[in-house]
Amino acid sequence: DVKVTQSSRYLVKRTGEKVFLECVQDMDHENMFWYRQDPGLGLRLIYFSYDVKMKEKGDIPEGYSVSREKKERFSLILESASTNQTSMYLCAAIGGSSYNEQFFGPGTRLTVL
Amino acid sequence: AQKITQTQPGMFVQEKEAVTLDCTYDTSDPSYGLFWYKQPSSGEMIFLIYQGSYDQQNATEGRYSLNFQKARKSANLVISASQLGDSAMYFCAITGTSYDKVIFGPGTSLSVIP
Repeated sequence: DVKVTQSSRYLVKRTGEKVFLECVQDMDHENMFWYRQDPGLGLRLIYFSYDVKMKEKGDIPEGYSVSREKKERFSLILESASTNQTSMYLCAAIGGSSYNEQFFGPGTRLTVL
Repeated sequence: AQKITQTQPGMFVQEKEAVTLDCTYDTSDPSYGLFWYKQPSSGEMIFLIYQGSYDQQNATEGRYSLNFQKARKSANLVISASQLGDSAMYFCAITGTSYDKVIFGPGTSLSVIP
């Protein structure tokens, strides 16, 4: 019954490294999202995509980029990881017959040293 | 712009009792959707229930129901017969007409007491 998967549950990287977070959904949903979640700040939208090769900036896109080459896959890229990007990263997909389903992946807890 | 307000940072409820988690929203979109999610300590976000702004009836999913009052811009989650496994953070969220953004509230921490 897997719907949204993320490539890693835990990740430790060094400052300056390029980091790839992968998200795959098996629901054929059009819209996919990347959020980060930090204590006291809630979920903040980084980027979203409404179709293959289409992307839009969310509220906090600085330091991030995304790629959506296939409908089922939405990747988040940290071009040069910094310690302030240590966070929980959550991927989600929304769709369904009336866009009433939004499912999240299990999350990736990224630590940048 | 859309906004979600959850005024209860923390709530306690006795096992088997019902509890209401508050959510108010603000939006200028004529059509929108409201979601509730549960996030246990393990971190995954679990979709609970959805209410469309033009749905005539309040949404229900098992022990979860959504008390949707459009004129008051509120979408409270009611959990009936609370269980210990209901202890978690609960988030209310809103999306607009094009479902291109989902905005989350700050969440409410629910603790179920045996």
